[in-house]
Amino acid sequence: DAGVIQSPRHEVTEMGQEVTLRCKPISGHNSLFWYRQTMMRGLELLIYFNNNVPIDDSGMPEDRFSAKMPNASFSTLKIQPSEPRDSAVYFCASSPASGKSYEQYFGPGTRLTVT
Amino acid sequence: GENVEQHPSTLSVQEGDSAVIKCTYSDSASNYFPWYKQELGKRPQLIIDIRSNVGEKKDQRIAVTLNKTAKHFSLHITETQPEDSAVYFCAASSLNFGNEKLTFGTGTRLTIIP
Repeated sequence: DAGVIQSPRHEVTEMGQEVTLRCKPISGHNSLFWYRQTMMRGLELLIYFNNNVPIDDSGMPEDRFSAKMPNASFSTLKIQPSEPRDSAVYFCASSPASGKSYEQYFGPGTRLTVT
Repeated sequence: GENVEQHPSTLSVQEGDSAVIKCTYSDSASNYFPWYKQELGKRPQLIIDIRSNVGEKKDQRIAVTLNKTAKHFSLHITETQPEDSAVYFCAASSLNFGNEKLTFGTGTRLTIIP
């Protein structure tokens, strides 16, 4: 398996622009997580899905952020409009969420820079 | 909600010596405690985890201990090697209620001095 796939790997955009981050989880995994990592705030959970349904979105900072999971193999995180303070590394992770393992497998991340 | 505190934030250890990282959690319902390692510029990866029905778990040079009464758990790395240099994150979750949400600590930057 190729592991969790994220695109793009790097994104540089201007303030006010829309940004869409994409994630393909590991096949067969039931849960998908979006995290944001910064030096100041560490690793924060933004939202997570189980069987394509959003379970906990309490970490989504504000209405500018939205996430979707239209099917088991694809999810997007959208920021509209983007602001400089959104600059961070965004990780997607997936988990088999079985009684045997709740290990979260992280993707390589998307480094977002908003100027 | 859950709050996880981790210390120290940085730790330097001579190669071959042991390293210990400690975490405390606030929610008594938490029952799953993983540790993730993140090398510079890389993604976090699980290195060991423990559930609340055991007090200790070992995997070669790494071990995790859990004290449910005191609500703290620790990562122990013995015979440290240069490749152990990384940021280590502890986390906690209450899987009992079908909630997989992990609350992470703030991380410990471990440096192994050759």
